[in-house]
Amino acid sequence: DAGVTQSPTHLIKTRGQHVTLRCSPISGHKSVSWYQQVLGQGPQFIFQYYEKEERGRGNFPDRFSARQFPNYSSELNVNALLLGDSALYLCASSHRTSGRGNEQFFGPGTRLTVL
Amino acid sequence: GEDVEQSLFLSVREGDSSVINCTYTDSSSTYLYWYKQEPGAGLQLLTYIFSNMDMKQDQRLTVLLNKKDKHLSLRIADTQTGDSAIYFCAETPKGGYNKLIFGAGTRLAVHP
Repeated sequence: DAGVTQSPTHLIKTRGQHVTLRCSPISGHKSVSWYQQVLGQGPQFIFQYYEKEERGRGNFPDRFSARQFPNYSSELNVNALLLGDSALYLCASSHRTSGRGNEQFFGPGTRLTVL
Repeated sequence: GEDVEQSLFLSVREGDSSVINCTYTDSSSTYLYWYKQEPGAGLQLLTYIFSNMDMKQDQRLTVLLNKKDKHLSLRIADTQTGDSAIYFCAETPKGGYNKLIFGAGTRLAVHP
């Protein structure tokens, strides 16, 4: 079975632009979460979606938004990019939102560079 | 509060055991995880432990949980060069959704 896939793998943008990152979960997984990993740090939680509804949001500004589609794939959108948004953006999927079976499996990430 | 702390660096000789330590603050955490990240890659789930367990063994990996001290450790037996990576400890605070709180990661270097 294919794991979590993300596109694109790398992206270069300039300040003020917006970006859309995409994620396809493992087949059968209904939950998708997004994380931001700045160089040298651990991932920081951005959003979690389950059955197309937002179930959790981290401490990120409103410039960050996301959605989940009927096929459970997801998009992360970031508007008005800042230099500090440069990071590896990771998507994770899981079968459930809590309890046994909620282990999260991560994709390879999208490396975003903002110039 | 939610905080996970790890030592930043560990160096071991090939064939020795590695022990990576982690402390967390949220006593309501239900699951605790260990992830591995190789350079330029995403995170690989290594193992996890439920908060009502003390120990879990999975081949070369042993996880120990001291809930009283909020201390988690990962022991890798017979460490190999392929184990060189960054290891992240993560907790899932009780709250009904999949928010993972990660530490800053421990870089494991394995030398001959």
